[in-house]
Amino acid sequence: QVQLVQSGAEVKKPGASVKVSCKASGYTFTGYYIHWVRQAPGQGLEWMGRVNPDSGGTIYAQKFQGRVTMTRDTSISTADMELSRLRSDDTAVYYCARGVSTWSEFYFDYWGQGTLVTVSS
Amino acid sequence: EIVLTQSPGTLSLSPGERATLSCRASQSVSISYLAWYQQKPGQPPRLLISGASTRATGIPDRFSGSGSGTDFTLTISRLEPEDFAVYYCQKYGSSVATFGQGTKVEIK
Repeated sequence: QVQLVQSGAEVKKPGASVKVSCKASGYTFTGYYIHWVRQAPGQGLEWMGRVNPDSGGTIYAQKFQGRVTMTRDTSISTADMELSRLRSDDTAVYYCARGVSTWSEFYFDYWGQGTLVTVSS
Repeated sequence: EIVLTQSPGTLSLSPGERATLSCRASQSVSISYLAWYQQKPGQPPRLLISGASTRATGIPDRFSGSGSGTDFTLTISRLEPEDFAVYYCQKYGSSVATFGQGTKVEIK
């Protein structure tokens, strides 16, 4: 069965960086984009960007350009998201999600369990 | 950038009642790229509807989606206790995904 398993919770100081990992199993890793979505406490969902596991190509939401880097390692079916220059308002649960994307459809069909990142001095 | 506005913010209903949730886009959205998700506390979102009206695998038929252009609707025909949650619409376009701000369906 398809699973996305994320790394554990992190506590970081303002200005630091954080890397969250997402290990995929149960399907061909290079066949689907991996997207990253975050959710601040009590707030809605915010799309951050995506990585193409096949080519490594990325697209980032404009808000995160210059601060986020999404990578993948096909040998271990893992996608990573690194966010730098952390601020207190980056405190959120970060999700990876598998994206189904064709000319006729787009949606996220499987999600990781989420990783809480807390930014606090 | 297309903005999705969901209404109402909160819907207070009783089990067995019908829920109608709205998602309005600031510009026309392809129905192919409109999806709905359900999220319960402490859980990741769960795909309900893709392509504006296609139920995802395992989703009960009390959930239905409709709409086109700028106006989309998620309907829950008869609320079950497990349906009380937050619902998000999501669209894709120009290589960017966007979510609405969510509608909370709470027990009255």
